[in-house]
Amino acid sequence: EIVLTQSPATLSLSPGERATLSCRASQSVSSSLGWYQQKPGQTPRLLIYDASNRATGIPARFSGSGSGTDFTLTISSLESEDFAVYYCQQRSNWYTFGQGTKLEIK
Amino acid sequence: EVQLVESGGGLVQPGGSLRLSCTASGFTFSSYWMHWVRQTPGKGLVWVSRIKSDGSNIKYADSVKGRFTISRDNAKNTLYLQMNSLSAEDTAVYYCTRDNNSWFDPWGQGTLVTVSS
Repeated sequence: EIVLTQSPATLSLSPGERATLSCRASQSVSSSLGWYQQKPGQTPRLLIYDASNRATGIPARFSGSGSGTDFTLTISSLESEDFAVYYCQQRSNWYTFGQGTKLEIK
Repeated sequence: EVQLVESGGGLVQPGGSLRLSCTASGFTFSSYWMHWVRQTPGKGLVWVSRIKSDGSNIKYADSVKGRFTISRDNAKNTLYLQMNSLSAEDTAVYYCTRDNNSWFDPWGQGTLVTVSS
């Protein structure tokens, strides 16, 4: 099983700041890595697929990068609705998720 | 609008059974692979099972293999998850989700399954 490790567990930032979230895979997943956003009381929403492609309707302030084992989700300038939990997921070898990064307001 | 609506969750005793349903609308259900994913505070998001658009190519996570059965009725636009021999470890919110090139998009609102005596 491919284990995805996200860091940090919690990230405290202010609106307007830049957020950088990391996801590391226990073995290479090539570019088969996606990111999801989950707001309190809501279901996960696909943000990024294939490491760097934004899903339909996702604002341009969200971007993804990386390949192999190290990936990054960047939110260029935080807006109030961006504070949520973010999960990475790989589809290279079945499907596994990271444990999540909680992005909270500082 | 694409919608997935789960139902069938509830409280069940250890060793009991439950059948979840997921009704789809807003897209051609019979053209898509579908999945079940569950979420717990402790283990986070865990993939459970998947089924191809025609009902074939079924796979399960090791943790539910032999106990859970995924199926679908394309005429009714409905996905199912039959869960038997339930234990406390199966307590979770269960989501159905559409396969989009092996990404999960969108997700239903989830249904809570609680296994407790």
